[in-house]
Amino acid sequence: SQTIHQWPATLVQPVGSPLSLECTVEGTSNPNLYWYRQAAGRGLQLLFYSVGIGQISSEVPQNLSASRPQDRQFILSSKKLLLSDSGFYLCAWSSGDYGYTFGSGTRLTVV
Amino acid sequence: AQSVTQPDIHITVSEGASLELRCNYSYGATPYLFWYVQSPGQGLQLLLKYFSGDTLVQGIKGFEAEFKRSQSSFNLRKPSVHWSDAAEYFCAVGAGSQGNLIFGKGTKLSVKP
Repeated sequence: SQTIHQWPATLVQPVGSPLSLECTVEGTSNPNLYWYRQAAGRGLQLLFYSVGIGQISSEVPQNLSASRPQDRQFILSSKKLLLSDSGFYLCAWSSGDYGYTFGSGTRLTVV
Repeated sequence: AQSVTQPDIHITVSEGASLELRCNYSYGATPYLFWYVQSPGQGLQLLLKYFSGDTLVQGIKGFEAEFKRSQSSFNLRKPSVHWSDAAEYFCAVGAGSQGNLIFGKGTKLSVKP
């Protein structure tokens, strides 16, 4: 069966520090991969999605970037975190048929 | 552009009472519609989905939703709420050829004993 792993679960980082969040999927190949951010009262904001290795689409301009170095690995990064980057980050995968499976999320607090 | 509106930010119901969470969408073609539930600090779990066919869709945990094209709505219902249903609920519409979902801002459900 397919599983999705996301880590770390929580992270506290100082302003200006780098960020790397990792998401991996097992039990499927060539998934669509997504990064969402959830801020209080603002619902889920799609940040990036990828339909294949090295293919990244950005939905909103921001301080973040994403990479897909392997078929089932999706990484969210930042060179210098801002206070406004705080939030709950969710990774998800689908087979392209809208059937999303979400990871358990990472709570990022920038201090 | 596609969009999803959940008019209620927060709803409180008594345990055992019925529940209806509202969702309205804007989409030019036949929509693919979804309801997800999120417990605090967790990811999202799919409750149910509508692609086509019967407009009344049954989901997990005793939830159902009805697609009404004339009202552009996909409201979520449950006849009797349990305390464990307290969570945040998100409606979503499938959009684009890449299979992307657009989410509403969510409705937080509180359950009174």
